[in-house]
Amino acid sequence: DIQMTQSPSSLSASVGDRVIITCRASQSISTYLNWYQQLPGKVPKLLIYTASTLQSGVPSRFSGSGSGTDFTLTISTLQPDDFATYYCQQSYSTPYTFGQGTKLEIK
Amino acid sequence: QVQLVESGGGLVKPGGSLTLSCAASGFSFSDHYMSWVRQAPGKGLEWVSLISRNDSPKHYAASVKGRFTISRDKAKNSLYLQMNSLRVEDTAVYFCARVLSGSYSRPLDLWGQGTLVTVSS
Repeated sequence: DIQMTQSPSSLSASVGDRVIITCRASQSISTYLNWYQQLPGKVPKLLIYTASTLQSGVPSRFSGSGSGTDFTLTISTLQPDDFATYYCQQSYSTPYTFGQGTKLEIK
Repeated sequence: QVQLVESGGGLVKPGGSLTLSCAASGFSFSDHYMSWVRQAPGKGLEWVSLISRNDSPKHYAASVKGRFTISRDKAKNSLYLQMNSLRVEDTAVYFCARVLSGSYSRPLDLWGQGTLVTVSS
């Protein structure tokens, strides 16, 4: 199985900050990489797919990049609604594993 | 309204069985791959299973393979997860999710609200 490792596991930041979350795959997955946001007590929401394509309706302050084994999710200017847990997921081969999550908290 | 609504969760004893259902509405169910994802209390997301538009192929996480069966009924616009030989570690909220059509990375673009399965004696 492909292992997905996110860093950091938790992060404290302030409104207005620029935040970068990284995701590393245990083998090359091309751009078969998706990002999700889960607000506390809520259902996960798709943010980005194919590593860099913004899902419809998602604010442009979110962006994704990378290919192969290393990927990043960037939030350019943190807003109050962005404090959540973020997950990457590979869909290169089944099982479509998720990263362990990155919890973004208010500083 | 485009939505997925899960049902069938509950309390079951170790070794028991349970079938989860997911009712789809507001979109063409037969056009989409569908998936189950679970989340143990206080933990991260775990991918469980995937079914293609035409029932085959089906894929499973190693942790559930041989015990869980995914299926769909196009006439009823419904997805199912038959869970047998349940273990304490299967305790989780189970989400039904739709795979976005037209994307090779098969992202999950629509999620149900989840149904809680608790396995305990």
